[in-house]
Amino acid sequence: EVQLVESGGGLVQPGGTLRLSCAASGFIFSSYDMYWVRQPTGKGLEWVSGIGTAGDTHYPGSVKGRFTISRENAKNSLDLQMNNLRAGDTAVYYCARAALPYCGGDCGMDVWGQGTTVTVSS
Amino acid sequence: SYELTQPPSVSVSPGQTARITCSGDALPKKYAFWYQQKSGQAPVLVISEDIERPSGIPERFSGSKSGTMATLTISGAQVEDEGDYYCYSTDSNSNLWVFGGGTKLTVI
Repeated sequence: EVQLVESGGGLVQPGGTLRLSCAASGFIFSSYDMYWVRQPTGKGLEWVSGIGTAGDTHYPGSVKGRFTISRENAKNSLDLQMNNLRAGDTAVYYCARAALPYCGGDCGMDVWGQGTTVTVSS
Repeated sequence: SYELTQPPSVSVSPGQTARITCSGDALPKKYAFWYQQKSGQAPVLVISEDIERPSGIPERFSGSKSGTMATLTISGAQVEDEGDYYCYSTDSNSNLWVFGGGTKLTVI
């Protein structure tokens, strides 16, 4: 069964750091682009970061310079290092897989984890 | 920054056709994807690459695109189709991925 399981969420103070992890199983992890998507309570989805099979990374302006996505193919693991966190980063964070292997960033996401909650508050 | 625009809400009666639109300047050259999200659950891909329906998605879900507008159509909407629907695409350089603001579908 194809599965993504996020971990690492929690409560952190403004300016703090947090590292999220996503454990993948049931597919050839190294063949797929991977993404992080977040959703504040009661609001819409926001793409947070993406990493290609070659390790190329992409971020929106809202997190660029603060968040770092990385992958360890040998461990079937995806991480998101979040620094200098702000109240606006409070959300459920989802790990997601590209819909096709080696799709080069233009094939959407077909498998999602259940999410991990990040709360930034003093 | 790049934006995709959706109507905040759409309401139909059971059995009617629901249409949800998504507009974006790069859509003529970039695929649109559609996600369904029910309360408390992770999103589910219902339409891929403008018109493709993934395995397991009912035939009443279809997608189309014309110029800068993509449309998700649910023919014969059912109460179980209620939820939030998001379109998703990339900017013209394929460096930024964006979700639309979401459309709440009500079937009553």
